[in-house]
Amino acid sequence: DAGVIQSPRHEVTEMGQEVTLRCKPISGHNSLFWYRQTMMRGLELLIYFNNNVPIDDSGMPEDRFSAKMPNASFSTLKIQPSEPRDSAVYFCASSANQQRSGNTIYFGEGSWLTVV
Amino acid sequence: AQSVTQLDSHVSVSEGTPVLLRCNYSSSYSPSLFWYVQHPNKGLQLLLKYTSAATLVKGINGFEAEFKKSETSFHLTKPSAHMSDAAEYFCVAGGDSSYKLIFGSGTRLLVRP
Repeated sequence: DAGVIQSPRHEVTEMGQEVTLRCKPISGHNSLFWYRQTMMRGLELLIYFNNNVPIDDSGMPEDRFSAKMPNASFSTLKIQPSEPRDSAVYFCASSANQQRSGNTIYFGEGSWLTVV
Repeated sequence: AQSVTQLDSHVSVSEGTPVLLRCNYSSSYSPSLFWYVQHPNKGLQLLLKYTSAATLVKGINGFEAEFKKSETSFHLTKPSAHMSDAAEYFCVAGGDSSYKLIFGSGTRLLVRP
């Protein structure tokens, strides 16, 4: 299996620009997560989808952030407008059925975002 | 409230010597526990997981961890460190909601030649 695929791997953008991060989960997985990793705050859950439906978006920082999952094989995380404090690594992850505890969550390689 | 504490932010060992990365958890029940490794500029890779079966869990690359309920610990060990083991290691617990993970702050392992 190809694993969780994220794009772009690296993005440098100017403050105020729109940023779109993309994710393809592992085929057959019905749970998808977006995490953000920073030195100061570690790994934070931004949003969790189950069967393409957002279940918990309480970690989304503010209205500038939005996430969609139009089908089982694709999700986007959008930041509009971007700010320097959004600079971080954004991970997409998926699991077979996270309605049950203990299932393994598989992470992508991350999208490294720098906003200047 | 649930929490995961990794007792060392940095651990330095010589190649060929044993590795011990310490993790304690706090939970009102027996959680699922995981160790993930993150190499530089990479994502998190699962090393091993505990889900209330055998208390000694074997993972990839020669790592293993032992769940000790009485000590609320889940320490990660490896008999002999390799240079390629240099990375950041995260101890993770399943949260009170089935989808939430509680991450430790990470331990950076340095392996000296």
